[in-house]
This record gives sequence, structure tokens and C-alpha cells, in this order.
Amino acid sequence: GAGVSQSPSNKVTEKGKDVELRCDPISGHTALYWYRQSLGQGLEFLIYFQGNSAPDKSGLPSDRFSAERTGGSVSTLTIQRTQQEDSAVYLCASRKTLDRSNEKLFFGSGTQLSVL
Amino acid sequence: AQKVTQAQTEISVVEKEDVTLDCVYETRDTTYYLFWYKQPPSGELVFLIRRNSFDEQNEISGRYSWNFQKSTSSFNFTITASQVVDSAVYFCALKGWRNFGNEKLTFGTGTRLTIIP
Repeated sequence: GAGVSQSPSNKVTEKGKDVELRCDPISGHTALYWYRQSLGQGLEFLIYFQGNSAPDKSGLPSDRFSAERTGGSVSTLTIQRTQQEDSAVYLCASRKTLDRSNEKLFFGSGTQLSVL
Repeated sequence: AQKVTQAQTEISVVEKEDVTLDCVYETRDTTYYLFWYKQPPSGELVFLIRRNSFDEQNEISGRYSWNFQKSTSSFNFTITASQVVDSAVYFCALKGWRNFGNEKLTFGTGTRLTIIP
């Protein structure tokens, strides 16, 4: 696609439910990133993928969070047993390669997650 | 540990005024990258600039300019003759270059800039 696409744009869920957030990166981009933006906070790194592998998962807040990427394209971020503190905007970004000469990330519009 | 501080939470200026957004960073890395991103109301962050730590030359792009001062660990962003379309949240970010595979960007908390017509 022309840009990074995320769905849904808004998600309201009840505490304790599981949610899946989807990211469709720019076609041909090998690197994919998930960030979380909480109210009044900066962006917090969660995980990144190179192809289907996740070399760095260090930002995932707890074992309730997981992510996968298939076919070197679409990625899904899953949050199990959601808690109110999970409420945030979840942003996905992609990058063509991990070449140091090209550090430009392309971001999606995010998924606003609200846990009631 | 890395840290990026954007002390200005919100700034409002009248259209056509110049405005400077401050960014101060902390890192133990000797080589690193600094970034500015713009987040308009649509939510998508838009890349503005990347600066390498070994290149202290200031940069100008149209109405935008960046002042990198390694001695004070600052990477400030100035918009000249501001326009209403400049209204957005601006984020400064840092990435260390310790080894290949460090892909984590550390962001500041952002500065919300409002341009008053």
C-alpha cells in the first residue's frame, strides 16, 4: 500500500479481554516496529521485526504482550487479559531496510486502545 | 541509559513568528543519531531530519533549521515565519549506535506547537 495501515483505528474493550492490533507495512519494507504512546508520554519502543524475526523484544511490558509477523509483511500485536494501564495509542512503523544510510521510519496513524 | 528531554510541553505563537523547540539528550554512546518527527492531528508521525553525532554542521531546510550543539547535548529545532500548518506535536528522538541491531529509538515527551492565525 501507499502507507502504513493499522486496524482498527479505535478499539474499546473490557478489562480482562484479549485484543489484536494489526499493522500492514509499506510493501517491500523489511523492518517493522511497534511503539506505544500513552497520554502525556513520549513514544515507548515495544518490539521490532526484521523479516519475520524479532531481534529485540525488550520493550514488551509484560508476558501479556506478544507480536508476530508473517510473510515478512503483516504484523499482529496481541494483548492478553487487558488492563486499564494498557490504554494507549499503539503505533506501527516500517522501514525499507536496516541500512544505516536510511533511518527514516514511516508511521501509521495508530490504534487507540481504551480498556474500560 | 538514554534520555531525551523536551522541557516545553506546549508552545503557542502567532502566525509568522519564529519559534524554537528545545531538545536535550543524554547518552553514553560515542556515536548516535538524533531525529525530529512531526505528529499532526492525523496521528501519523512524519520524519523531519536525522543527524549523526559526528556531524555538527547545522542544517536548514526551507523554513526549518536545526542547531546541534554536542557540547551542551542539545538538538534544537527552529521554525521561521511559522504557519498554521506547522501546528502539531513535535518529537525529538535518539538512537545509539553501539552495534548493528540496535533499533530502539528513545523519544522525548513531545512539544505541542499551536500557531495562532
